[in-house]
Amino acid sequence: EIVLTQSPATLSLSPGERAILSCRASQSVSSYLAWYQQKPGQAPRLLIYDASKRATGIPARISGSGSGTDFTLTISSLEPEDFAVYYCQQRSNRPPWTFGQGTKVEIK
Amino acid sequence: QVQLQESGPGLVKPSETLSLTCTVSGGSVNSGSYYWSWIRQPPGKGLEWIGYVYYSGSTNYSPSLKSRVTISVDTSKNQFSLKLTSVTAADTAVYFCAREFTYYDPMTGIQPYYFDYWGQGTLVTVSS
Repeated sequence: EIVLTQSPATLSLSPGERAILSCRASQSVSSYLAWYQQKPGQAPRLLIYDASKRATGIPARISGSGSGTDFTLTISSLEPEDFAVYYCQQRSNRPPWTFGQGTKVEIK
Repeated sequence: QVQLQESGPGLVKPSETLSLTCTVSGGSVNSGSYYWSWIRQPPGKGLEWIGYVYYSGSTNYSPSLKSRVTISVDTSKNQFSLKLTSVTAADTAVYFCAREFTYYDPMTGIQPYYFDYWGQGTLVTVSS
């Protein structure tokens, strides 16, 4: 099973600042990595898939990069609605699919 | 617009079987373009993939739950279901159903991809 490790656990930032979230895989997942956003009491929402492709309706301020074992989610300028928990998820060659433990982006 | 809705008991006794159903509207579980998954989230914790079912009935489960899990699809009702046997307090979680869109691999055919639509989730508590 591939383990995903996200860092930091919590990111305290102000609106307008840049957020950089990291996800590291225990073995290569090629580019088969997604990012989801989850707000309290809600289901996760797909933001990025295949490491860098934006899902439908996701604004350009949210971007993903990386391949192999190291991935980054960047929010160029935080909007109030961006404060949430973010999860990475891998879907490499075969199941089980796994998620990282999450990074909480909170208002400083 | 595709919508998924989980339903089932919110309280299950230890050692009994947890049973949930996901009803899909605005789309068809009988489509070969999607896989249908269950994912859970213990209170205050992260996400755990449980398994998926394809319209044909083929399944794949997380190894950590494989001995206790059954996921099935009912195309006549446009639903898919989860059964988890011999539950303990560790199975207390919000259970989500989700749709996985697919891609075509020339070597292996239609493959599950990522979760694009989710249900709102339902909390299941295991307690006597």
